[in-house]
Amino acid sequence: SQQGEEDPQALSIQEGENATMNCSYKTSINNLQWYRQNSGRGLVHLILIRSNEREKHSGRLRVTLDTSKKSSSLLITASRAADTASYFCATSHTGANSKLTFGKGITLSVRP
Amino acid sequence: DTAVSQTPKYLVTQMGNDKSIKCEQNLGHDTMYWYKQDSKKFLKIMFSYNNKELIINETVPNRFSPKSPDKAHLNLHINSLELGDSAVYFCASSDGQIYNSPLHFGNGTRLTVT
Repeated sequence: SQQGEEDPQALSIQEGENATMNCSYKTSINNLQWYRQNSGRGLVHLILIRSNEREKHSGRLRVTLDTSKKSSSLLITASRAADTASYFCATSHTGANSKLTFGKGITLSVRP
Repeated sequence: DTAVSQTPKYLVTQMGNDKSIKCEQNLGHDTMYWYKQDSKKFLKIMFSYNNKELIINETVPNRFSPKSPDKAHLNLHINSLELGDSAVYFCASSDGQIYNSPLHFGNGTRLTVT
């Protein structure tokens, strides 16, 4: 399967703490993307990191990519209760008819 | 000013019925998608259209038929609904090639087949 696999499956932290979520994949990628899904809503794109990039930042979010280990991490700093959501990594793999394949997601709970 | 809108939000129907879900995007994107999310939140692509042309058709029963009347619309028609079709269906769009562009999702249609 080409899909990314997130780790851990669930994470519960206190407001103000940092949250680190990991994603591993098996075959070469064009890019890797992280999405957030609030309960009952659609997915919202957070960050896209290309295969030739190693790190990207967006506000309190930091994404790293290690293509040698076929893994990525999403760090949310100074978490807030509003960060409570499911987080998905999605990979676009090299090859014809490339599509975006999603992992099973990580449920993040931030306690106020 | 909703970017990707799909209707209805909820759909409850009986086995054997035929139903449609509509999707529209006002982002000017060339590519639109249908994804299915099961009860465990696993998200799987079903179809992708680029400028009204089908480019991805995953292993989906032929009871599911997408239709794209123009590049801003991608509808999903489902014939002879089965219990296993119960899920949340998401429409999405992107600008350009999937390996360079993020997806913009609608808020989903929760389909319940009884």
